[in-house]
Amino acid sequence: GAVVSQHPSRVICKSGTSVKIECRSLDFQATTMFWYRQFPKKSLMLMATSNEGSKATYEQGVEKDKFLINHASLTLSTLTVTSAHPEDSSFYICSASPVPGQSTDTQYFGPGTRLTVL
Amino acid sequence: RKEVEQDPGPFNVPEGATVAFNCTYSNSASQSFFWYRQDCRKEPKLLMSVYSSGNEDGRFTAQLNRASQYISLLIRDSKLSDSATYLCVVGKAAGNKLTFGGGTRVLVKP
Repeated sequence: GAVVSQHPSRVICKSGTSVKIECRSLDFQATTMFWYRQFPKKSLMLMATSNEGSKATYEQGVEKDKFLINHASLTLSTLTVTSAHPEDSSFYICSASPVPGQSTDTQYFGPGTRLTVL
Repeated sequence: RKEVEQDPGPFNVPEGATVAFNCTYSNSASQSFFWYRQDCRKEPKLLMSVYSSGNEDGRFTAQLNRASQYISLLIRDSKLSDSATYLCVVGKAAGNKLTFGGGTRVLVKP
């Protein structure tokens, strides 16, 4: 099946630093990847849609200058949390669709990155 | 009103019993429907897609009612390993964006 990896799986950083999270599709190409955030005991909330070779589309209320997304290739998208603060501590999950442009596509999720900002 | 609503549970289920729960969605233009399973501190994993005609995968049966805008999941002969949070997920036609429900927690006990 389609495999998506994320790195790092866990990161602890000091307030004010920036953290980069990588999302890779290992055995398929993904023109679109999605970034989600999940707070404890809450559901996944879509942050942004990452499109290869173009700017990401951010959901309402998500600061694009704080959460920088780069989708430089068909197998890699990165999310950088800039000037992280304790309230940014969360579980960040990416997903990718193997086939673009079809509404019935399933998404395959990475294992998530647990960010703790001290 | 949330786009996708679920009963958070928990549903405490004796091993071997049947459990069923629903999810409602507000956007009538929704095109795709899924049930995902999420274990504690793990990523969601696709359990099954949901089709208009209803579909079954082993002990799991999913139904879609477009008129009433709800989908359901039924688990027969519950196993201890079925304990998890079940996420109802709805997709729109454009952009392949998914909206997640808050999840229904199921606890299967011996």
